Amino acid sequence: DTGVSQDPRHKITKRGQNVTFRCDPISEHNRLYWYRQTLGQGPEFLTYFQNEAQLEKSRLLSNRFSAERPKGSFSTLEIQRTEQGDSAMYLCASSLGIAQDEKLFFGSGTQLSVL
Amino acid sequence: GEDVEQSLFLSVREGDSSVINCTYTDSSSTYLYWYKQEPGAGLQLLTYIFSNMDMKQDQRLTVLLNKKDKHLSLRIADTQTGDSAIYFCADAFSGNTPLVFGKGTRLSVIA
Repeated sequence: DTGVSQDPRHKITKRGQNVTFRCDPISEHNRLYWYRQTLGQGPEFLTYFQNEAQLEKSRLLSNRFSAERPKGSFSTLEIQRTEQGDSAMYLCASSLGIAQDEKLFFGSGTQLSVL
Repeated sequence: GEDVEQSLFLSVREGDSSVINCTYTDSSSTYLYWYKQEPGAGLQLLTYIFSNMDMKQDQRLTVLLNKKDKHLSLRIADTQTGDSAIYFCADAFSGNTPLVFGKGTRLSVIA
């Protein structure tokens, strides 16, 4: 297993369009996280899954954002009616999800630019 | 809410030691983490410390934890140009919640 992979690496879209990103976690990891990072900031938590169950969503996650992890493996993050403020790096991470040890392993991210 | 604070910039000469500092607010933190991010890349886990430890050493990296002052530091010995990156402190508040990250410290290593 080569780690967490994200697709695409870069996405340029026009305001108002919908976009979807995919994340494939490390295969034995139960938890999958989505974070957003803007320039000069640390990653901000968006949502996470324990297997296929979405356990927590940040207040940052407006109703234009939806995430799924249908079979407890890969996940998708969809943004509807994109706005310029959605431009950011979207990071996916996974972890074993056991006990209190939350070592997160990150993918390389999807850089979204909304024009 | 819970917060993690870091200084934004640090510049050191190659071969010197770097010390990156972090403060956090949650008194029930279980694990604290240091991540490294190179340009255009995701975050790479460098090291972590359990809250009942004061110090952890891993090759050139030393983590110091002062629970009383809620202060965490990362020391990089013999800093190299390849260490130039952004370093993030992260806290797993109360052990079962998503990691909260600081804004990152940009380390510049001068040859």
